[in-house]
Amino acid sequence: QMQLVESGGGVVQPGKSLRLSCTASGFTFSSFAMHWVRQAPGKGLEWVAFISSDGTNKHYADSVTGRFTVSRDNSKDTVYLQMNSLRPEDTAVYYCARDGNLLTAYLDFWGQGTLVTVSS
Amino acid sequence: SYVLTQPPSVSVAPGQTARITCGGNDIGSKNVHWYQQKPGQAPVLVVYDDSDRPSGIPERFSGSNSGNTATLTISRVEAGDEADYYCQVWDGSSDPYVFGTGTKVTVL
Repeated sequence: QMQLVESGGGVVQPGKSLRLSCTASGFTFSSFAMHWVRQAPGKGLEWVAFISSDGTNKHYADSVTGRFTVSRDNSKDTVYLQMNSLRPEDTAVYYCARDGNLLTAYLDFWGQGTLVTVSS
Repeated sequence: SYVLTQPPSVSVAPGQTARITCGGNDIGSKNVHWYQQKPGQAPVLVVYDDSDRPSGIPERFSGSNSGNTATLTISRVEAGDEADYYCQVWDGSSDPYVFGTGTKVTVL
């Protein structure tokens, strides 16, 4: 049974850093690209970052470029999101999701999410 | 960046048909995907590549895409279909993975 489990969320002050983790099971993690998507309270979905299956190709939303870094460790079946210089507007539930098809780019499986609150 | 526009809400009686639109410039030339999100839960893919369904998704969910509008159709609506629905495309712009604004479906 496929699972994606996010961790690392919490309350952090503006300007500080946080690292999220997402651990996969039930599928061959190293064969799939992965995404991070966030959802601010009461708002819609916002794509944040993409990382290819081997970790060599990465893309970021304009809103996080230069502050967030995505990485992965295929030996641990885990993808990470390092978030620096956090702002109140980064407050959201952060989901990791599997890329189901690189050509047409749909996200076919999602974790349950981890809440990040940026507040003083 | 590319913009996808959805109606904020759609209301439908049980057993009837709900149609959720997703508007975007020449969206018919793109592959559109649809997600269902129930309160407090993660999104679930219900339609991909305009009209294909993942395994386990009922045939009541269908999609179409042409011109400037893509549509998710839910036939024979059930109470359990009450959720937020989001469309999504890939666009070769600075923010390549684009989600629509979301539509709340209410079953009367």
